[in-house]
Amino acid sequence: DGGITQSPKYLFRKEGQNVTLSCEQNLNHDAMYWYRQDPGQGLRLIYYSQIVNDFQKGDIAEGYSVSREKKESFPLTVTSAQKNPTAFYLCASSIIGGNADTQYFGPGTRLTVL
Amino acid sequence: ILNVEQSPQSLHVQEGDSTNFTCSFPSSNFYALHWYRWETAKSPEALFVMTLNGDEKKKGRISATLNTKEGYSYLYIKGSQPEDSATYLCAFIIIGSARQLTFGSGTQLTVLP
Repeated sequence: DGGITQSPKYLFRKEGQNVTLSCEQNLNHDAMYWYRQDPGQGLRLIYYSQIVNDFQKGDIAEGYSVSREKKESFPLTVTSAQKNPTAFYLCASSIIGGNADTQYFGPGTRLTVL
Repeated sequence: ILNVEQSPQSLHVQEGDSTNFTCSFPSSNFYALHWYRWETAKSPEALFVMTLNGDEKKKGRISATLNTKEGYSYLYIKGSQPEDSATYLCAFIIIGSARQLTFGSGTQLTVLP
């Protein structure tokens, strides 16, 4: 089955710790994205990558880092510098230019900082 | 930061009612408008992608229209069913944005049996 997987589904972290959220896709998509959702707000873009070994900051990149060593994988690290990390995180991928860049989403990871 | 507004924020309708939501976006440098449906405990799924002014798309009982000159899109659901309950997100892309989607906060629809 083709798709996007995110793990874990729920994640708890102590304040001051870094944590890495996994995102894997087997759709052979070039582009991958990380979004954050907070109650009452739309999805906000954290980082995106259109090609291996390259990525760009989105609107709210501060306190986050990413890597894109393989086409299939785009892990997100929430660092201790992120002031309010408790949120729902969604990963997505797309074919660049495919159907006006329709994005395909993973199931999400809910991060709670204790 | 570009803004997209969706209204209403939430909506409760009875099974069989028809309903519609609005998505407003900046009309300058328009490239595409997306509608996604996000059911509870599932991933958001693309419903429609529209690129041309006057576009109308339909999938079963759900349809959408696009007006790029005035910067709005409507999503219509005819004869709502409980399985239509979901959050409906719209997102737009502008030319020169590196194909980034800017999302609205969504309209949460609950269809009561």
